[in-house]
Amino acid sequence: DAGVIQSPRHEVTEMGQEVTLRCKPISGHNSLFWYRQTMMRGLELLIYFNNNVPIDDSGMPEDRFSAKMPNASFSTLKIQPSEPRDSAVYFCASSQDRNYGYTFGSGTRLTVV
Amino acid sequence: KQEVTQIPAALSVPEGENLVLNCSFTDSAIYNLQWFRQDPGKGLTSLLLIQSSQREQTSGRLNASLDKSSGRSTLYIAASQPGDSATYLCAVSKDGNKLVFGAGTILRVKS
Repeated sequence: DAGVIQSPRHEVTEMGQEVTLRCKPISGHNSLFWYRQTMMRGLELLIYFNNNVPIDDSGMPEDRFSAKMPNASFSTLKIQPSEPRDSAVYFCASSQDRNYGYTFGSGTRLTVV
Repeated sequence: KQEVTQIPAALSVPEGENLVLNCSFTDSAIYNLQWFRQDPGKGLTSLLLIQSSQREQTSGRLNASLDKSSGRSTLYIAASQPGDSATYLCAVSKDGNKLVFGAGTILRVKS
């Protein structure tokens, strides 16, 4: 299995632009999570899906952030408009079942200038 | 609100030493606890998962213990190697889904 696949690996964009981050979970995993990692705040859960349905989006910082999971093999995290304070590493993770561990992707390093 | 604290924040040891990383959490009503490893510029790798009903888990040179009632976990690394150098993260979950992470311990093993 190729693991959790995220794209792009790096994204540099100008303030005000729309940014879309992509994630392909491991086949057969029915839970998908989006985390953000910064030096100041560490790792924070933004949103998670179970069977493609958003379960908890209480970590989404603002309405500028949105996430979708149109099918079991694909999810997107969109920021519109982007701001410099959104600069961080965004991780996607998937899990087969809550009794099993997470598998994390390699992350997308986002820089908003 | 669950808070997770990891001590020490950084640790430097010579190769071959046995070492212990500590994790504490404020709310003992957890479903499970996980230890992860993160290499610079990389994602997280799951090391050990301990269910709330378990006391410890072992994988190779790694052993993680859990004392749920006192809100503590330790990660023991035996015979450390330079390849063990990384950031080690502890995370707890109340429902088996949402993870709350500690800030991590940066480990450097010197050859």
